[in-house]
Amino acid sequence: AQKITQTQPGMFVQEKEAVTLDCTYDTSDPSYGLFWYKQPSSGEMIFLIYQGSYDQQNATEGRYSLNFQKARKSANLVISASQLGDSAMYFCAMREVPQGGSEKLVFGKGTKLTVNP
Amino acid sequence: DSGVTQTPKHLITATGQRVTLRCSPRSGDLSVYWYQQSLDQGLQFLIQYYNGEERAKGNILERFSAQQFPDLHSELNLSSLELGDSALYFCASSPGGQGVYNEQFFGPGTRLTVL
Repeated sequence: AQKITQTQPGMFVQEKEAVTLDCTYDTSDPSYGLFWYKQPSSGEMIFLIYQGSYDQQNATEGRYSLNFQKARKSANLVISASQLGDSAMYFCAMREVPQGGSEKLVFGKGTKLTVNP
Repeated sequence: DSGVTQTPKHLITATGQRVTLRCSPRSGDLSVYWYQQSLDQGLQFLIQYYNGEERAKGNILERFSAQQFPDLHSELNLSSLELGDSALYFCASSPGGQGVYNEQFFGPGTRLTVL
């Protein structure tokens, strides 16, 4: 079963506007973590933001914020004031730490964001 | 620059061969993770080591093996290579191990091409 779902294969946004990239997840474990990574065309994976399942507040890092809705099992990434350099693939990932088991990490298929001038 | 280094950057080899990919984690990080990114499978977790010991296993083939050395660098060995093994292989590191919430920092990747 798909653990991380990113329903938007591609998104377009105008420079300086905000954009939301969707991510839903599936887990029965109470303890988990959610990550967003950016992968530009050069290939490297850049960590953007992290949200723990017990965190009371939504994570923010500069222009990135995570809209964490636990009951809906969604962890959408919001990028404010888009810049041309934001054009890249964006991956949502989940880290599960089940009781008595080894931690598991799973990535979504990614969303390709294009920022238009 | 994440502080994680991977060598080589590119590797071209033939089917049936064996290769070794190397990773040096960020200074102070004890955990090393290996991932494979291919067009059809996406990003898949292969294996994790923490302070020299295997901690978690993902979709790693039996032809693949890894280890983490006392100096904390890690190697991923891929043997009996097939065309389908062509992919971008990432190493990532984080400070802690299981049960600890740590972001993972990725290296630049090794692009493996099997001809």
